Amino acid sequence: GDQVEQSPSALSLHEGTGSALRCNFTTTMRAVQWFQQNSRGSLINLFYLASGTKENGRLKSTFNSKESYSTLHIRDAQLEDSGTYFCAAEGWGSNAKLTFGKGTKLSVKS
Amino acid sequence: EAAVTQSPRNKVTVTGGNVTLSCRQTNSHNYMYWYRQDTGHGLRLIHYSYGAGNLQIGDVPDGYKATRTTQEDFFLLLELASPSQTSLYFCASSAQGDTQYFGPGTRLLVL
Repeated sequence: GDQVEQSPSALSLHEGTGSALRCNFTTTMRAVQWFQQNSRGSLINLFYLASGTKENGRLKSTFNSKESYSTLHIRDAQLEDSGTYFCAAEGWGSNAKLTFGKGTKLSVKS
Repeated sequence: EAAVTQSPRNKVTVTGGNVTLSCRQTNSHNYMYWYRQDTGHGLRLIHYSYGAGNLQIGDVPDGYKATRTTQEDFFLLLELASPSQTSLYFCASSAQGDTQYFGPGTRLLVL
């Protein structure tokens, strides 16, 4: 099975609202990275975490390596937040390899 | 200025054709990666390298070769392209144990 299970696969939000995306890992991971893929296909770095919580503007991410999950919280969603969000995890001893989840497609509507 | 660049941005070839995708990074990173992105699969690692002359096999290497000629340059080679290799290809670079930075991608169509 997949090492990185991402949910939900799709999400629709109204402007100004918020929600959480989640990644569960089937093995212990060393670090996690979150990306947004925009409408042009570009992958934008959001967070890199080896532990704990990071916040940047309206986004906040947590990585709990012991319980094998990571979350990305979006608050006060804006139209430009639309896109596909990916988590990617680096396993211990993986020689810096990332394993990606299948993504969450987020649509923000006015 | 973009730190990871890819060329070409779009490529069309025929089955059996020979294709080289190029990637250059100016981040002074040791690690470079090639991924493919397909609907329903997310991004999958093809090959990667942790320095000039080094090559490591990724998760989906069949049908692909790669070569890292310098710290900056990493090439992906499809010597006998097949329609199953139609995809969006991304290159990335990183320092060890740190954020991966991605290029803009190359769309490849194999007819």
